[in-house]
Amino acid sequence: EIVMTQSPATLSVSPGESATLSCRASQSVRSKVAWYQRKPGQAPRLLIYGASTRATGIPARFSGSGSGTEFTLTISSLQSEDFAVYYCQQYNNWPVTFGPGTKVDIK
Amino acid sequence: QVQLQESGPGLVKPSETLSLTCTVSDGSISNYYWSWIRQPPGKGLEWIGYIYSSGSADYNPSLRGRVIISVDTSKNQFSLNLSSVTSADTALYYCARMRGVGATRGWFDPWGQGTLVTVSS
Repeated sequence: EIVMTQSPATLSVSPGESATLSCRASQSVRSKVAWYQRKPGQAPRLLIYGASTRATGIPARFSGSGSGTEFTLTISSLQSEDFAVYYCQQYNNWPVTFGPGTKVDIK
Repeated sequence: QVQLQESGPGLVKPSETLSLTCTVSDGSISNYYWSWIRQPPGKGLEWIGYIYSSGSADYNPSLRGRVIISVDTSKNQFSLNLSSVTSADTALYYCARMRGVGATRGWFDPWGQGTLVTVSS
């Protein structure tokens, strides 16, 4: 089973600043990584799949990059609605596995 | 836009079977893969399994033997049954549609809001 790790666990950012979230896989997952946003009491929301393809309706300030074992989600110019927990997930190997999440909170 | 809603008991006794249903609305359940995912308190997300609308299913090896996912296309629903539950099965349970085609499938969109199931006597 592939282990996904995320760093940092918590990221404190001021509105308008950018945030860079990291995700690492225990072995290569090629580009088969997705990113999700989750807010309390809400359904998780798909942001990125294929490591860099934005899902339908996702603002351009969200961008994903990486391949192999290192991946990054960048949120440029954070808006108030962006403060949430973000998860990465690999789907190159079964079972698919998720990272533990990065909480982005207001500085 | 497809929406998913989980339903089922919020409290299950140890050794009994946890049963949840996911109702798919504003879209057809046919020709897609559907999954269950859970998150125990303070722990990470865990994929439980998936089912295709035709009925073929696959499960996380960590749960294989205790889990069955079924689909009812006439009701636009799919269901989770997890047997012999313990406190370790206490979690927020999500249903989700699995996206992608063939070897590229495996991400999830959309998700339901989740339902908390507590295992306790």
